[in-house]
Amino acid sequence: DAKTTQPPSMDCAEGRAANLPCNHSTISGNEYVYWYRQIHSQGPQYIIHGLKNNETNEMASLIITEDRKSSTLILPHATLRDTAVYYCIVRGATSGTYKYIFGTGTRLKVLA
Amino acid sequence: EAGVTQFPSHSVIEKGQTVTLRCDPISGHDNLYWYRRVMGKEIKFLLHFVKESKQDESGMPNNRFLAERTGGTYSTLKVQPAELEDSGVYFCASSPESGKAFFGQGTRLTVV
Repeated sequence: DAKTTQPPSMDCAEGRAANLPCNHSTISGNEYVYWYRQIHSQGPQYIIHGLKNNETNEMASLIITEDRKSSTLILPHATLRDTAVYYCIVRGATSGTYKYIFGTGTRLKVLA
Repeated sequence: EAGVTQFPSHSVIEKGQTVTLRCDPISGHDNLYWYRRVMGKEIKFLLHFVKESKQDESGMPNNRFLAERTGGTYSTLKVQPAELEDSGVYFCASSPESGKAFFGQGTRLTVV
């Protein structure tokens, strides 16, 4: 079973920041938080990941709470092309725990 | 750099027939994963190879599914005999030692 909980859907106005929450209250100390998205029926696309520090790349920012029980993915200026299903995944750091367990994700709709 | 490549992109077969899906991972990636998404359901893990060895095959649904990764390069997933409930999109992903996984575009399998 997935170790994460996400809201099923969210709307965001084009040009505004999209903040997607994720709960992972049972995360272990050596487990990472990964975010992927799936646009239509394409393969999941990597966005960002982190362990305990906040992370930023060209696509998004990841804010992880100090207790690591939840995180937020931030798309700073959402565009129509960001409409997708976003998955928050907890992943281990040892070979036996590399697999991703997908939950139901959040369906983000960016509105013009 | 070439990404993860899957063949074929679509396959339509009759119930009882055999189908073989192929995945070419990113060169140098020892970890290779198979996932699938059946209609309306979540993306489910099938199995994980480390080089040519099966690290985790806990997600394989039954013995009609056989995955191989000869020589630790490309992988095949054979379904024999195919059933209607095997219809869905099969994704392959690869990753280096403990890095992020890159997904292919998937093979859409339809069993009629």
